[in-house]
Amino acid sequence: AQSVAQPEDQVNVAEGNPLTVKCTYSVSGNPYLFWYVQYPNRGLQFLLKYITGDNLVKGSYGFEAEFNKSQTSFHLKKPSALVSDSALYFCAVRDGDYKLSFGAGTTVTVRA
Amino acid sequence: DGGITQSPKYLFRKEGQNVTLSCEQNLNHDAMYWYRQDPGQGLRLIYYSQIVNDFQKGDIAEGYSVSREKKESFPLTVTSAQKNPTAFYLCASSMFGRYYEQFFGPGTRLTVL
Repeated sequence: AQSVAQPEDQVNVAEGNPLTVKCTYSVSGNPYLFWYVQYPNRGLQFLLKYITGDNLVKGSYGFEAEFNKSQTSFHLKKPSALVSDSALYFCAVRDGDYKLSFGAGTTVTVRA
Repeated sequence: DGGITQSPKYLFRKEGQNVTLSCEQNLNHDAMYWYRQDPGQGLRLIYYSQIVNDFQKGDIAEGYSVSREKKESFPLTVTSAQKNPTAFYLCASSMFGRYYEQFFGPGTRLTVL
């Protein structure tokens, strides 16, 4: 089965500093990878995905992610974090034709 | 959350009762999904449906049932057989194919009293 891991439960950064949320994956075959964000008591919002092609994927709200095949990683990044970026972030990988397998999530806190 | 509605937002259930969570989408998506979210465990797949009148069990289907009589609707019933039903339930939908992301509804928080 395909799986992802998010090694950090929490990430704390100051506003204006770069933000990185880590994700590593374990797949057989080509990985299809996704990032979502969840605000308190809300559903998940899609940020970006990697299917094939350019290793740097740009997404919503100024986020981007770097796919690294040799390190089996798909880290989410934002050059300058905002207080409003404080939320729960999930990495996911396609597992079969329909299923998404999610990581446990990383809570991001951006302090003013 | 656009395009997918879930109701109610909050639901309280007494032990031994069955409850049904509603999920409707107007995105014309073929596939629909139900996930359960518990703190620190990410999302776990309960059931999914690829087409009308067909659905498959996910990783934690015991104690749950679903139906898919219409393309737009995928209700989830939490039965009394579910030992620990208190959780946040999320419905999602997507187009057919591995490349497509899933779109999520706003969720229903179920609490067993």
